[in-house]
Amino acid sequence: ILNVEQSPQSLHVQEGDSTNFTCSFPSSNFYALHWYRWETAKSPEALFVMTLNGDEKKKGRISATLNTKEGYSYLYIKGSQPEDSATYLCAFKVGGGNKLTFGTGTQLKVEL
Amino acid sequence: DGGITQSPKYLFRKEGQNVTLSCEQNLNHDAMYWYRQDPGQGLRLIYYSQIVNDFQKGDIAEGYSVSREKKESFPLTVTSAQKNPTAFYLCASSQVAGNEQFFGPGTRLTVL
Repeated sequence: ILNVEQSPQSLHVQEGDSTNFTCSFPSSNFYALHWYRWETAKSPEALFVMTLNGDEKKKGRISATLNTKEGYSYLYIKGSQPEDSATYLCAFKVGGGNKLTFGTGTQLKVEL
Repeated sequence: DGGITQSPKYLFRKEGQNVTLSCEQNLNHDAMYWYRQDPGQGLRLIYYSQIVNDFQKGDIAEGYSVSREKKESFPLTVTSAQKNPTAFYLCASSQVAGNEQFFGPGTRLTVL
């Protein structure tokens, strides 16, 4: 079983703060790294799928970077809003694989 | 609207009984997945199917069974052999195995 780790486990920030969290994954046999957002009482939704070392993706105030050589990805949220409150999951896919291995998630709460 | 439906939302079962969780998708996706989530843990893969009439065990398949007789449907049976079945179960699909996944709303199973 592959080890995908996320940190921190939970995070409380104030509205307007910028924040970031980390996903660590095996650096060998990398194929893709996914980020999902999971809001309470909703289904997880894909944010980004990243495949290339040095990749940067952006969606509104949320962006992500990827370092496949050292095995980590960062997710950044600029100017956090209460609607950003969710659990953020990363998932790793190995080369030639046909399934994703998920991390335990970072639970973000943005307070007014 | 295209999407994934799971039913029921909440399910209660007596110890020793088998129970089947429903998952249907109208996204015309080839691959479907079943995950289990427990408090403090990430999504753990139970079974997945890349194509009709084919499925593979995930990381925690013991005590579960699946079928994939139709492209749209991937039901999960939690058998009495599953030692600790109380959990939140999520179904997902992707266009091809290992790609971005789309999730259903989940079923919370409680064994009494």
